[in-house]
Amino acid sequence: SQKIEQNSEALNIQEGKTATLTCNYTNYSPAYLQWYRQDPGRGPVFLLLIRENEKEKRKERLKVTFDTTLKQSLFHITASQPADSATYLCALPDHTGRRALTFGSGTRLQVQP
Amino acid sequence: DGGITQSPKYLFRKEGQNVTLSCEQNLNHDAMYWYRQDPGQGLRLIYYSQIVNDFQKGDIAEGYSVSREKKESFPLTVTSAQKNPTAFYLCASSTNPGQENGGYTFGSGTRLTVV
Repeated sequence: SQKIEQNSEALNIQEGKTATLTCNYTNYSPAYLQWYRQDPGRGPVFLLLIRENEKEKRKERLKVTFDTTLKQSLFHITASQPADSATYLCALPDHTGRRALTFGSGTRLQVQP
Repeated sequence: DGGITQSPKYLFRKEGQNVTLSCEQNLNHDAMYWYRQDPGQGLRLIYYSQIVNDFQKGDIAEGYSVSREKKESFPLTVTSAQKNPTAFYLCASSTNPGQENGGYTFGSGTRLTVV
């Protein structure tokens, strides 16, 4: 069955550094992958989509890579700020063909001032 | 402003009681979804609907029911058959998730607690 793995341990970094979060998946070759941000007590907010034929996608201070050989996506936030502190979720289309996304459990990022 | 609205924000259910969570969107999205979020477990799919008058079970549909009588609305009923309903419930809508800006739009969630 499809499995999505994100580091369950919180990532703590200093302000101004680059944060790198990892999303690994198994038993599947998705056509695309999405990243979301979730603040406590709120719904996730869509950030970026990257397709299988794209190696890298950038949006402002965000950069996402997609390595279909390693079955891994990396999510980078450059020049991180305390306001970037949140939980970040990756999501893939369901491997059974069901038209819904499957989400990872997320990684919490804490940026220290 | 277009968006997706969930209500209520907090809901308390007594043992053996059915409760209904509301989800309304004015984004003209065809597809709507219900997810449940428990601490440390991420989002789990309960039900989804790609079109009016049609819906499909997700991974944890037992103890839940839905309807999709209008494009804008996708209410979720948590029945007494759901033995552990305490969780954070999220409703979402989308057009085509594979498009550049096709990510899901989520509501702000309903936190359901059994008392």
